[in-house]
Amino acid sequence: GNSVTQMEGPVTLSEEAFLTINCTYTATGYPSLFWYVQYPGEGLQLLLKATKADDKGSNKGFEATYRKETTSFHLEKGSVQVSDSAVYFCALSGNYGGSQGNLIFGKGTKLSVKP
Amino acid sequence: NAGVTQTPKFQVLKTGQSMTLQCAQDMNHNSMYWYRQDPGMGLRLIYYSASEGTTDKGEVPNGYNVSRLNKREFSLRLESAAPSQTSVYFCASSVEQGLGSPLHFGNGTRLTVT
Repeated sequence: GNSVTQMEGPVTLSEEAFLTINCTYTATGYPSLFWYVQYPGEGLQLLLKATKADDKGSNKGFEATYRKETTSFHLEKGSVQVSDSAVYFCALSGNYGGSQGNLIFGKGTKLSVKP
Repeated sequence: NAGVTQTPKFQVLKTGQSMTLQCAQDMNHNSMYWYRQDPGMGLRLIYYSASEGTTDKGEVPNGYNVSRLNKREFSLRLESAAPSQTSVYFCASSVEQGLGSPLHFGNGTRLTVT
């Protein structure tokens, strides 16, 4: 079945450091890939998505490229801020209806950015 | 823009008590979901409703029931709460189920069962 594996946290960085959070997936067919972010005390928010191979999703300085050859969707940001401190979830969704189309989430990676 | 609204925000139950978690969305979405979030487990799907009038089990449905009351509302019921159901519960909605449609989440209900 479909699954998502993302790097264990927590990740602690200094402000302006480069961020990479690794995400790999297993899926049949051609899934859509997502990164969600969860700030303390809130629900998850969509950060970015990519729907086909070689697509790059981007938002708020974050980027991720859908790499079918390595089944990866790593999240990157060139210069993190304290306000980026949150939990980040990688997820995939089959591009079809039915139960196989539901989002499957990784376990989340907690990022703490120190001033 | 309210988005997805969940009530209550916090709840403490004793083992064996029942309760219903409420969820409403104002985005005219067809599909709605209930997830639970536990430390180190990510989010796991409890039940979903692909469209008004339909509900289906997700990954962890045991101990729960749901009702899609209308297009806006999707409730989750615990008939006899157990300590293993201590968790944070999130309701979400999407334009359609699957097909790459992103989810919009509520802010969660933190449930403790003693």
